[in-house]
Amino acid sequence: SAVISQKPSRDICQRGTSLTIQCQVDSQVTMMFWYRQQPGQSLTLIATANQGSEATYESGFVIDKFPISRPNLTFSTLTVSNMSPEDSSIYLCSVVGGMGGYEQYFGPGTRLTVT
Amino acid sequence: DQQVKQNSPSLSVQEGRISILNCDYTNSMFDYFLWYKKYPAEGPTFLISISSIKDKNEDGRFTVFLNKSAKHLSLHIVPSQPGDSAVYFCAASGMDSSYKLIFGSGTRLLVRP
Repeated sequence: SAVISQKPSRDICQRGTSLTIQCQVDSQVTMMFWYRQQPGQSLTLIATANQGSEATYESGFVIDKFPISRPNLTFSTLTVSNMSPEDSSIYLCSVVGGMGGYEQYFGPGTRLTVT
Repeated sequence: DQQVKQNSPSLSVQEGRISILNCDYTNSMFDYFLWYKKYPAEGPTFLISISSIKDKNEDGRFTVFLNKSAKHLSLHIVPSQPGDSAVYFCAASGMDSSYKLIFGSGTRLLVRP
């Protein structure tokens, strides 16, 4: 499985500011995903980020709030813009891998607290 | 509307005994199912998966059972170990070839020594 790192691992931010989260993979991958896990909740897909195309956002998530970059096959960023306390979550990136084709492997996550 | 449901938020089991975690889904178009384990401050770790063409898949102490007619899957851990204590998520995929995963709400497993 791919080794995935995320930066920062955690941050505390003031409302109204923006934070960019980086996701680095140790191998080239076509599909990357960004998820959010709000406190006590499950994982919810924010968007799919494929290199060379615009990110595809899920219902309830918009590009102006969560712009994503995918400049190459090993790297992606997610920006959380104009933050409010409701954005306090763990943000995770993942990549597709494995024999079955559907297995996703996750980074360690970025724990964001908005005050 | 939740498409993947884990109705038990927590489960406590004695070490050495069997742990059974359950998951129900509503979308008959799902054709691939996965289980993940998550420790605090870490990302989810893939455990085991099953395709809809199978009804059982086994990997060491972990076995996943799929009942398509009931839209139900379960994860069996035998024997349970204290290190298995974590939150377990089931997930489903394949309905539109997008590879995206739909997760359940998770079950917190505690294995007592």
